[in-house]
Amino acid sequence: SQQGEEDPQALSIQEGENATMNCSYKTSINNLQWYRQNSGRGLVHLILIRSNEREKHSGRLRVTLDTSKKSSSLLITASRAADTASYFCATDYYNNAGKSTFGDGTTLTVKP
Amino acid sequence: NAGVTQTPKFQVLKTGQSMTLQCAQDMNHEYMSWYRQDPGMGLRLIHYSVGAGITDQGEVPNGYNVSRSTTEDFPLRLLSAAPSQTSVYFCASRVGAISNQPQHFGDGTRLSIL
Repeated sequence: SQQGEEDPQALSIQEGENATMNCSYKTSINNLQWYRQNSGRGLVHLILIRSNEREKHSGRLRVTLDTSKKSSSLLITASRAADTASYFCATDYYNNAGKSTFGDGTTLTVKP
Repeated sequence: NAGVTQTPKFQVLKTGQSMTLQCAQDMNHEYMSWYRQDPGMGLRLIHYSVGAGITDQGEVPNGYNVSRSTTEDFPLRLLSAAPSQTSVYFCASRVGAISNQPQHFGDGTRLSIL
């Protein structure tokens, strides 16, 4: 399977702490995307990082990509209760007609 | 802009019934796709389309049909519903197949097959 794997499966932290979740994949990619899913809702795009990029920021979010290790991480700094959600990585593999492969996600709980 | 609109939001079917899940996008995106999400899992690709008139199978296509007669619409048909098709279905669109752009998702259709 080309599916990415995420860890941890679940993460529980206090408000104000940082949250880090990781994604690993198996073959060459064009890009890797991170999405958030609130309970009962669709996925919302957070950050897309291309294969030739190593780090991207968006507000309190920081994404890194290490193509030599075939892995990515999403860091949420100074977390808030509103960050409670599931987070998914998706990979666009090279020569895969734009199809994205999703991991099973990390469920983040931020306690107030 | 409405983005990606899915209807209905909820549906209960009996085994053997057929139905169509509707998906429409108003962003003039070439690429559209259907996923299913089972409890505690990520999304699995059912079918996708790189443009009007062109569709192809994803990871789990059995029991589903799609068509793409216009850029805007990408309906998903369940031919003969089975309990194993109980899931949440998401439609998504993106600018193009090789665009290095993210996907935009609808809010999903929650489908129960009895």
